Amino acid sequence: GAGVSQSPRYKVAKRGQDVALRCDPISGHVSLFWYQQALGQGPEFLTYFQNEAQLDKSGLPSDRFFAERPEGSVSTLKIQRTQQEDSAVYLCASSLGSGNQETQYFGPGTRLLVL
Amino acid sequence: SQQGEEDPQALSIQEGENATMNCSYKTSINNLQWYRQNSGRGLVHLILIRSNEREKHSGRLRVTLDTSKKSSSLLITASRAADTASYFCATDGPGANNLFFGTGTRLTVIP
Repeated sequence: GAGVSQSPRYKVAKRGQDVALRCDPISGHVSLFWYQQALGQGPEFLTYFQNEAQLDKSGLPSDRFFAERPEGSVSTLKIQRTQQEDSAVYLCASSLGSGNQETQYFGPGTRLLVL
Repeated sequence: SQQGEEDPQALSIQEGENATMNCSYKTSINNLQWYRQNSGRGLVHLILIRSNEREKHSGRLRVTLDTSKKSSSLLITASRAADTASYFCATDGPGANNLFFGTGTRLTVIP
């Protein structure tokens, strides 16, 4: 596709439910990032993949958060036993290369509401 | 915690006026980027300025960088209603591939 796509766009979960958020990066992009954006705040880094390798997961807030990119393209962010504080917009971004001067292209995000 | 902070938090101007937003950050950087986010949409990359650059232009956008003060500014000239959005600065971090975003400036351009 022309850009990064994410699904679902909106997700409402009951506290304690597991959720899975999908990201389709731009075809051929090596790097993939997940960010969490709370209401009224800037995005905060969660995790980074270079192809299928998860090179940095230092931003994941707890062991309930898990991300994978098994074939180096599509990525899934899974949140187990969701809590109300997990309510946020989850943004996925991809970049062509792996350097930190690469432009990151963002998807529209998944807005998660945990009740 | 986030790397940068934008100032002001909110800005309201008339169409045709110029808008200036400032960003301060904490650690040394290789580059600084500005992004725009419209309500309910993803972030759109606007411009990247490298640490060895002091000023950069792109259309109606002008970005300055002062590494001695760890600050940057984004100037939007001849603003339009369509410029209404939140604007974020983002920096790289030492040894990191990810971006560190500021808290954002919410710009409203009144037609």
